[in-house]
Amino acid sequence: GIQVEQSPPDLILQEGANSTLRCNFSDSVNNLQWFHQNPWGQLINLFYIPSGTKQNGRLSATTVATERYSLLYISSSQTTDSGVYFCAVDQVGNDYKLSFGAGTTVTVRA
Amino acid sequence: GAGVSQTPSNKVTEKGKYVELRCDPISGHTALYWYRQSLGQGPEFLIYFQGTGAADDSGLPNDRFFAVRPEGSVSTLKIQRTERGDSAVYLCASSFALNEQYFGPGTRLTVT
Repeated sequence: GIQVEQSPPDLILQEGANSTLRCNFSDSVNNLQWFHQNPWGQLINLFYIPSGTKQNGRLSATTVATERYSLLYISSSQTTDSGVYFCAVDQVGNDYKLSFGAGTTVTVRA
Repeated sequence: GAGVSQTPSNKVTEKGKYVELRCDPISGHTALYWYRQSLGQGPEFLIYFQGTGAADDSGLPNDRFFAVRPEGSVSTLKIQRTERGDSAVYLCASSFALNEQYFGPGTRLTVT
């Protein structure tokens, strides 16, 4: 199956700092989603971004499908940004089954 | 509108017992998925429904696990003869066709 690698595994930020999270995947994909899992376990949709660039407030994402990676940018981080960020992809030919990376745990300190 | 809902939010059961976990998808979503998340890991795919039928159940760990979606909306994940290794958070997701998936809050299952 497709391999999804996220880096870094852990990130500690001071409030107001910027950061970049990376997601590499091993095969062609139809769909790529970024999620934020809050401390209560809820997966919150951030971006549905199989290719290109999107922005939503302080967050933005870029996927370069031909090079098999995606980046999530967090600007002016806030303590509420803390949690685990997951990248998930579905492989061409299995365009319903999301495969998740292991996540990046972000801690934003006041 | 309302998001994906799951009940119960927590379930504690004894080893060997039978459990049912329920998922109510977003209204109008045709596809429904079950995933399982163990501590410190990302969710893992279990089963996918398109309408009433299970289109892919390749992620179910063994034949103690079964899921149904009889009317093409609500789904129930059934686990027979539960084992301690079944303890995890069970997540349900839904989507319109094969587009963006939206997840419910999960059911935390603990087998003692």
